[in-house]
This record gives sequence, structure tokens and C-alpha cells, in this order.
Amino acid sequence: TQLLEQSPQFLSIQEGENLTVYCNSSSVFSSLQWYRQEPGEGPVLLVTVVTGGEVKKLKRLTFQFGDARKDSSLHITAAQPGDTGLYLCAGVEAGGTSYGKLTFGQGTILTVHP
Amino acid sequence: DTAVSQTPKYLVTQMGNDKSIKCEQNLGHDTMYWYKQDSKKFLKIMFSYNNKELIINETVPNRFSPKSPDKAHLNLHINSLELGDSAVYFCASYSSLGDEQYFGPGTRLTVT
Repeated sequence: TQLLEQSPQFLSIQEGENLTVYCNSSSVFSSLQWYRQEPGEGPVLLVTVVTGGEVKKLKRLTFQFGDARKDSSLHITAAQPGDTGLYLCAGVEAGGTSYGKLTFGQGTILTVHP
Repeated sequence: DTAVSQTPKYLVTQMGNDKSIKCEQNLGHDTMYWYKQDSKKFLKIMFSYNNKELIINETVPNRFSPKSPDKAHLNLHINSLELGDSAVYFCASYSSLGDEQYFGPGTRLTVT
């Protein structure tokens, strides 16, 4: 069973600060996804990174996939209260089936105070 | 139009009862999932069906029985509910084209 260690579990910051969330594993993933979940709703995909070393940007969010495809990070610049939510990383097994089976990290609950 | 819908949104029941949660997707996907999210927000896969066939069963107690009458529906029946079954259950539909899972809004199950 592949495991994803996500940290930190909780993050409480002031508006305008920067933050980074990490996702680490000893296993190789064919791709890694980041989801955001609002209270009372299901997770929504933010980005998928596929290539080792890949960097993707989504406005103030920067996602990176490790060279060995075992880890990933999410960096938010100048956080806004609207960024508040649960952030989840999820890995797709390397060499697995094509059914998109995901292994999720434990999640990071981000609170951005005005 | 809602892509992935679940009913009910909330379910409160007593220990020992049997209950069902329904899921429907109108995205035309072949693969659907059930996940359980515990109180610590950890999301764990339970089952997956592809074209009405069970393809993933992650050591879930046999009190949980998924059923897929067709590609667009994946229901979850739970027998003899226990306190530890209290959680939010999410259904998801998978697109191999975009390699993305689309989640439903969740069903919050509370067993008293």
C-alpha cells in the first residue's frame, strides 16, 4: 500500500503571508494531484502534475512535482481569506491500473485570517 | 446540472439499522468510487466499479455492499450500522481522459 505523508496538518496564517504544504512518499507515483475541499462539499481538483520536476502555476498557487516523482509541494503566495479550506494531495500509483485509483494524504486545513 | 449527486445529504440513524446511500453521475464516465472521510478529514477509498463491475475493494467490512445497477449509478448499502461508521461518505466519478475524479457533495452519516 502506497502512503502519502502530508504536512502540516493545520496551518493558521494572516492574510498576505506565504505558505507551503508538503506531500511526501517513499513510493513513486505516475502523477500527483492537488484537491481543495470546502466545508459541506466534495474535493475539487486544482491541478495534476505528471512529469518529474514539473512546476505548474495557478494564479497565486504554485505546484511542484519532485524529480523522482515521490513528493510534491503546494506554495501559496500572499494568501487571502478566500484560500481557506482543506487541501488534499493524492497520488496515482505508478504501473497501476488505468482506473485512476488515488491514495490521499492526510490533508492540510488552512485558515487565513483577515 | 449537477455532475455527481448523492442522496441523502444527511443521515442520522441508530446502531444496528440498515441504510443505503445513492449516487448518480451524468458525466458518462465508466468508473465510480466510494470514499469514507473520517473526523480527521482523511479520505480513504472503499470501492470502485468500472462498467458495473467491482474492480477495487479496499478491505471494507462485508457489512458494506456496493451495487451498480448501471454505469451512471453506484449505491452503498450498509448493514448493522456501528458507531464507527459515522463519517462523511463521498461518491466520485472518474474520467480517464482528464485523469480527474469528480466528487459528489457527500453524505454525512451519524450513527447514534
